[in-house]
Amino acid sequence: QQQVKQSPQSLIVQKGGISIINCAYENTAFDYFPWYQQFPGKGPALLIAIRPDVSEKKEGRFTISFNKSAKQFSLHIMDSQPGDSATYFCAADYGGSQGNLIFGKGTKLSVKP
Amino acid sequence: DAGITQSPRHKVTETGTPVTLRCHQTENHRYMYWYRQDPGHGLRLIHYSYGVKDTDKGEVSDGYSVSRSKTEDFLLTLESATSSQTSVYFCAISTGTRGELFFGEGSRLTVL
Repeated sequence: QQQVKQSPQSLIVQKGGISIINCAYENTAFDYFPWYQQFPGKGPALLIAIRPDVSEKKEGRFTISFNKSAKQFSLHIMDSQPGDSATYFCAADYGGSQGNLIFGKGTKLSVKP
Repeated sequence: DAGITQSPRHKVTETGTPVTLRCHQTENHRYMYWYRQDPGHGLRLIHYSYGVKDTDKGEVSDGYSVSRSKTEDFLLTLESATSSQTSVYFCAISTGTRGELFFGEGSRLTVL
């Protein structure tokens, strides 16, 4: 299966709260998992990425947690800010044609002041 | 930062007309991609190119063709546009960093 399933479709969080977005995959050939952030009217941009031999990666307020046995990974945004309001995409890469990523369907995050 | 320019940024056309979207990069990257973005579907790969005159199909290639005659330009053509091709189209390049695509700002196409 080439799909990456992402949930929820939309998320509303209060300022200062924790935003959590989940993704799941079936294809065990996937070996790299980037997350992208997209602001309205702009193209997606790489936010953070993780390899499956690492259980957690943190960059500032953004953390990826990875559960290889469950074939699931998630993005946590700590201390969410209104400026984090964007659409987030998880993705998976199986190392084939360079950059040929399989994207989840996206989560629209709104952080309320 | 990689430079990508998409043109046109907005286009309204009628069913049955041909449409060409252009992607121009300034960085001489080998891999280039065309994605479409639709609500509820996320980003789906249409076609990609791994060099001049070297292209391959993606997940949703039906109704689309591409050409790459120069490293810097990747063209997406809709031979006969249909309403189902109303979408936002993104061009992307692979920066060489694993898992990193650099996207253009998109071309919004409306087919009436």
